[in-house]
Amino acid sequence: AQSVAQPEDQVNVAEGNPLTVKCTYSVSGNPYLFWYVQYPNRGLQFLLKYITGDNLVKGSYGFEAEFNKSQTSFHLKKPSALVSDSALYFCAVRDFNGGSQGNLIFGKGTKLSVKP
Amino acid sequence: DAGVTQSPTHLIKTRGQQVTLRCSPKSGHDTVSWYQQALGQGPQFIFQYYEEEERQRGNFPDRFSGHQFPNYSSELNVNALLLGDSALYLCASSSDRAWNSPLHFGNGTRLTVT
Repeated sequence: AQSVAQPEDQVNVAEGNPLTVKCTYSVSGNPYLFWYVQYPNRGLQFLLKYITGDNLVKGSYGFEAEFNKSQTSFHLKKPSALVSDSALYFCAVRDFNGGSQGNLIFGKGTKLSVKP
Repeated sequence: DAGVTQSPTHLIKTRGQQVTLRCSPKSGHDTVSWYQQALGQGPQFIFQYYEEEERQRGNFPDRFSGHQFPNYSSELNVNALLLGDSALYLCASSSDRAWNSPLHFGNGTRLTVT
């Protein structure tokens, strides 16, 4: 079965410092990986995806993610954190087992806190 | 261009009651999926509708049912509510022709069961 794991419940970073939010995955076949962000009392906003191609994926708001097949990881990164980046971040993998569209399987989420 | 809209934003129900949540997909999207997000957890897939049929279903009991209308909008119905059904219910839309495109989520309906 497909799954993702986010090993950190919370990540604390000082503003201006680089940030990393970790994600590892377990899939049969090719992984289709996504990162979403959730602000309080809001839905999920898409940040970036990996389908195929370059291992470094660039997304919205200056975020990027590095796909590493040998380590089965898809860590989210940003070179310089902003206070406004504070939010809940979810890693997800697309599960095609049930149908052509597939659904998303989410990790538990990592709370990112950026302090001034 | 309106994104995914959900109504109501908040709802309080009593155990045993029934509830209906509504979702309008993003313009141009024909597929609607529903997710349940319990407090402190990631969203869990409930089911997906396409062409007015339930195409895929997650591990949720039959108390959870849905419907999709000809205009692609959708409803989620939950019968015999339990305290454990308290959660944020998220609707997501996508286009069946663009299977590798990201899902677009609404802001959710916060359901509280007392």
